[in-house]
Amino acid sequence: EPEVTQTPSHQVTQMGQEVILRCVPISNHLYFYWYRQILGQKVEFLVSFYNNEISEKSEIFDDQFSVERPDGSNFTLKIRSTKLEDSAMYFCASSEWSGAVNTEAFFGQGTRLTVV
Amino acid sequence: DAKTTQPNSMESNEEEPVHLPCNHSTISGTDYIHWYRQLPSQGPEYVIHGLTSNVNNRMASLAIAEDRKSSTLILHRATLRDAAVYYCIRGGTSYGKLTFGQGTILTVHP
Repeated sequence: EPEVTQTPSHQVTQMGQEVILRCVPISNHLYFYWYRQILGQKVEFLVSFYNNEISEKSEIFDDQFSVERPDGSNFTLKIRSTKLEDSAMYFCASSEWSGAVNTEAFFGQGTRLTVV
Repeated sequence: DAKTTQPNSMESNEEEPVHLPCNHSTISGTDYIHWYRQLPSQGPEYVIHGLTSNVNNRMASLAIAEDRKSSTLILHRATLRDAAVYYCIRGGTSYGKLTFGQGTILTVHP
């Protein structure tokens, strides 16, 4: 069964450093997403990406965040200067069509980011 | 604002049916109702979705009220592996954004 894969599974970084979280979505999917979940809290939407551009983003997704699909297969989330409050589990997801309308989104297992 | 209301927690015994309720009284006519679940230490997992008619798949059934203001996710025979947080989500934007609430923590007892 196809799956969304994320690397690394756990990333520890120092405050102020840049991190790149990587995701390989399911190959025929067209919509890509990043969500995050701070420990003990709910899953929060960060950004959606379609046709090589951001289609929607949340208030959390400020100038410190960026996304890219550099080579047609990988989908990355970059945090330019990490803060302690960026510590969370980050989930990548993809869907064949718009997930809010009539299809399912497939989520990866997540990258646990710890900022120290 | 998730715009759905679910009980914080529910309990079930193994091999018994489980009915997980969700209220979405302000749902619009074109919003799908999606259910996802999150097993411990894993990413969310799609369970089922529907618009107006009741839906069945290999994992569960979704019963949607005639006025669409509420729905019920039915797990026909709960297993220990079904212990998870279950999220009821209204579809809302065309780009696929899912708005997760706190969900219902389902505990399954052996």
